[in-house]
Order: sequence, then C-alpha cells, then structure tokens
Amino acid sequence: KAGVTQTPRYLIKTRGQQVTLSCSPISGHRSVSWYQQTPGQGLQFLFEYFSETQRNKGNFPGRFSGRQFSNSRSEMNVSTLELGDSALYLCASSLGDRVASYEQYFGPGTRLTVT
Amino acid sequence: GESVGLHLPTLSVQEGDNSIINCAYSNSASDYFIWYKQESGKGPQFIIDIRSNMDKRQGQRVTVLLNKTVKHLSLQIAATQPGDSAVYFCAETHTFQTSGSRLTFGEGTQLTVNP
Repeated sequence: KAGVTQTPRYLIKTRGQQVTLSCSPISGHRSVSWYQQTPGQGLQFLFEYFSETQRNKGNFPGRFSGRQFSNSRSEMNVSTLELGDSALYLCASSLGDRVASYEQYFGPGTRLTVT
Repeated sequence: GESVGLHLPTLSVQEGDNSIINCAYSNSASDYFIWYKQESGKGPQFIIDIRSNMDKRQGQRVTVLLNKTVKHLSLQIAATQPGDSAVYFCAETHTFQTSGSRLTFGEGTQLTVNP
C-alpha cells in the first residue's frame, strides 16, 4: 500500500506570495491532518480534515487554510507569506473514525523556504 | 496550557545497549500517547502507541510505559542499533466531543547510537 505523498517536496517563495501544498493520503484513509515543523517551535498542529470538512483547527492565523476533496486528497494554502512561514509542512493521514483516528501516518513533508 | 515535553534533548548510547527516552505531559485528560521516530529528511514514523487506560505496551524491540500518576511516558528500545539513530517525539492526542483528533508533540530527543 502506498504511503502518504506530498507535493512538491521543496519550494522557494518570496514574502507576500501565496503557496499551495498538496497531500494524498493512504488509500482508504479519510482523515488528513497538517502540521508545521520548525526548529524553534517544533511540530505544531495546523488543522484536520475529514470527509471534506475541517474537524479541528490549531492556533494559526487565517492566512493558513486548507481543504479536502471527495477523494480525501487535501491541499493547504498559505497567503501573504512571511519569513517565519519557512518550515517543513507535514501531512498525516488516518482512517478517521473515532477509534482508529489516533494512528496517523506522515508523509515526507514539503520544505518551504520564504525569502 | 497543555504541553508534552521531553526530559533530555540528546541521548547517546553504545550499539547493543538499551535506550530509554523519557517524556512528561501536562494534560491528565489525554486519550492516547504515541511515539514517533523521525530520520533526517523524512516525516515522523509511527513506532508505538498506548491508550490512557494502559500502563505498558510492547512492540518489536520497543516498550512504552505510561505512568499517569506522575504524567510520565517513556520509550525503551532494546539492543539499540545504528539504524535507531533519529529524533524521537512523544505525542499526545485529544479527542474532542465532535470526534477527531489532533497531536500535541514534545520537543524531541536526538538519539545517537555509537558503533
């Protein structure tokens, strides 16, 4: 079974631009979560989508948004990029039902650099 | 606020020794605890998890211990191998009333295995 895939793997953007990252979950998984990883803040939860609905949201500004499609693929968007948005953005998928939602499988991440 | 933290940022062991990585958490209402391993350039890899109603769980060469009295979690790796060198994160899950989960990660411990 293929794992979680994320595209692109690396991205360089300029301050003020916007970016869209993509995540394809493991086949059969309906929940997709996004995390930001930085050396200073560690791994922080951004949001979770399940059946095309945002189910949970972390403490990030509204510049960070996401969506999920009917095939469970998810995208996250960051608008008006700031230098501090430079990070590894990780996507994790899980089955999504109440009992099994804890076991989350991560993709390799998208390394975003804002200059 | 709630947080999950680790006692040591780095741990160096000899190949073949047993490793113990510790974690302290603050939210006594947590449902689940998970250990992840992250190798350089990769996303976190699920190692083992434990429910809050359990004290111990064993996997292949790994054991997780949960002490709810002192809010302490540990990961024991038997016969540590060079391939175990990585950053290890503990994570805590919350289950909201509306279902879904989010992970709160600790800061990570860099395990180095010396040959």
